[in-house]
Amino acid sequence: TAGITQAPTSQILAAGRSMTLRCTQDMRHNAMYWYRQDLGLGLRLIHYSNTAGTTGKGEVPDGYSVSRANTDDFPLTLASAVPSQTSVYFCASSGTVGLSPLHFGNGTRLTVT
Amino acid sequence: QKEVEQDPGPLSVPEGAIVSLNCTYSNSAFQYFMWYRQYSRKGPELLMYTYSSGNKEDGRFTAQVDKSSKYISLFIRDSQPSDSATYLCAMLRGTGNQFYFGTGTSLTVIP
Repeated sequence: TAGITQAPTSQILAAGRSMTLRCTQDMRHNAMYWYRQDLGLGLRLIHYSNTAGTTGKGEVPDGYSVSRANTDDFPLTLASAVPSQTSVYFCASSGTVGLSPLHFGNGTRLTVT
Repeated sequence: QKEVEQDPGPLSVPEGAIVSLNCTYSNSAFQYFMWYRQYSRKGPELLMYTYSSGNKEDGRFTAQVDKSSKYISLFIRDSQPSDSATYLCAMLRGTGNQFYFGTGTSLTVIP
């Protein structure tokens, strides 16, 4: 089934450790996004990429970095995790920037202790 | 003021009922409107995608957009227990790629 694959599905991470959340799409979409979802706050954009080789900052980028080496992959890295980064992280993609809806993966549930 | 407002519920209805879910927004520049369904521990799933004002129907689901009132709705007819989920509205201006989300409405359909 075409779509977005995220890994791992869940992770417990000690504060101060680094981690990369993986995201791969097979829909050949140009744009990819990382959101975090927290109770009462909804979905908040962390970083995005409109096309391979470019990235941009969203609403809550601090503590996170991304890269977009090719069309299909968009990893999210936490360099030094803090407890406030405990959240559910969703990767998403869209076709034509500004005109197409988002398609989401099933998320990575991260707990920072 | 948030750009998109959505009543979080929770909303509980008996099986077979008609469900109405709503969002209001403040930015008249929004052109594209989406509804997502999110089951527990899953990602949001696109249900409806509409452009500008009017109605769009897909099976038991109808999306309605009233741009003059800055108000969108999702109607679910003959609701089923499998419709129990959180429903998110989202909007797009048509330029740039910033999506604006509501915080979601939790729906339970009781058998």
